[in-house]
Amino acid sequence: AQSVTQPDIHITVSEGASLELRCNYSYGATPYLFWYVQSPGQGLQLLLKYFSGDTLVQGIKGFEAEFKRSQSSFNLRKPSVHWSDAAEYFCAVGAVNDMRFGAGTRLTVKP
Amino acid sequence: GAVVSQHPSWVICKSGTSVKIECRSLDFQATTMFWYRQFPKQSLMLMATSNEGSKATYEQGVEKDKFLINHASLTLSTLTVTSAHPEDSSFYICSASPWTPTAYNEQFFGPGTRLTVL
Repeated sequence: AQSVTQPDIHITVSEGASLELRCNYSYGATPYLFWYVQSPGQGLQLLLKYFSGDTLVQGIKGFEAEFKRSQSSFNLRKPSVHWSDAAEYFCAVGAVNDMRFGAGTRLTVKP
Repeated sequence: GAVVSQHPSWVICKSGTSVKIECRSLDFQATTMFWYRQFPKQSLMLMATSNEGSKATYEQGVEKDKFLINHASLTLSTLTVTSAHPEDSSFYICSASPWTPTAYNEQFFGPGTRLTVL
């Protein structure tokens, strides 16, 4: 069965600094990978997804993620963080009729 | 496209009552719908998977008699929390997946329903 690990429970960065959120997955076949963002009390918003093709995926709000099969990773990056990026971020791996989420990484942005 | 709605967005009920949450796919037909539960500061946990016109498949540890799921049409699934208790208070999120000829059917998520049981 597939699984997702987000090693960092909480990350704090200064506004304007770069960001990288880590995600490692375990899946026997080609994974379908997702990053979602969730603001307090809100639902999930899809940031980006990887199905196939170019391993560097561009998403909304200036986010990107790189799929590295050799490392079983799908890390999320942003070159310059804005205060509005403070939220919970979830990595997920999907299969047919199944999706598993990581535990989430809470991002705090310092002024 | 691929919009999923949930109603209500929040509900407060008394212990012992039942609550129904609706999940609708607004612009596509969802052959499969999923229900997730999220406790504060935790991740989403899949509760059950339902296909239109058939019984839901529940994850291990989820009480099927307590969380009744009905997927009566290709655009509507309902989750009924029966005899709710305070420990059922949570954020419930549904997702819907359209059938496509490709191997992977992406899930589209609703905005969630906050249930508080007093």
